[in-house]
Amino acid sequence: QKEVEQDPGPLSVPEGAIVSLNCTYSNSAFQYFMWYRQYSRKGPELLMYTYSSGNKEDGRFTAQVDKSSKYISLFIRDSQPSDSATYLCAMRRNRDDKIIFGKGTRLHILP
Amino acid sequence: DTAVSQTPKYLVTQMGNDKSIKCEQNLGHDTMYWYKQDSKKFLKIMFSYNNKELIINETVPNRFSPKSPDKAHLNLHINSLELGDSAVYFCASSQGRTTNEQFFGPGTRLTVL
Repeated sequence: QKEVEQDPGPLSVPEGAIVSLNCTYSNSAFQYFMWYRQYSRKGPELLMYTYSSGNKEDGRFTAQVDKSSKYISLFIRDSQPSDSATYLCAMRRNRDDKIIFGKGTRLHILP
Repeated sequence: DTAVSQTPKYLVTQMGNDKSIKCEQNLGHDTMYWYKQDSKKFLKIMFSYNNKELIINETVPNRFSPKSPDKAHLNLHINSLELGDSAVYFCASSQGRTTNEQFFGPGTRLTVL
């Protein structure tokens, strides 16, 4: 079992819909959870990060962590065509540790 | 005023050749990284340097040798290239080794024929 599992998609949704992206993980030692966005032919860029369990909101984006289920989510409200990209979840055990990335989910927002 | 730049952007070469990829960051960051993203889009760390000191060295064939001449530069030299080395190689930097935000370069798409 890989440490971080993420459905590669693609996931296609109509503009304006709420998008839910998810990852599961096996290592209960992970404490820092991140979401990176990667546009085609570009490098990833950090969207949000959270520490331990709970929710974090930033504009149209909400990140949720459920450590008891080893499950993290990213919600995108009022999705826009410009949100079309690959979304990679990422996590690390502590601040000195390497970051482990999921494979990414390709998201298409249809106008 | 690109933050993290890599050269070349594309690299096509024959098996057995030796090649280098260069990376520079102008963000004043202390920590730099090399990642490999394979055809299945799996992004995996290879090396990390903090203040020119190697701090992460994953299970990578010793044909891959990183070199950090100063804090702003991290190069990757690959000897005896193999077909399986074909991938996109990303350089990244962060303010420190404990920072969650890493800034990625545009990637170098390496194709080994």
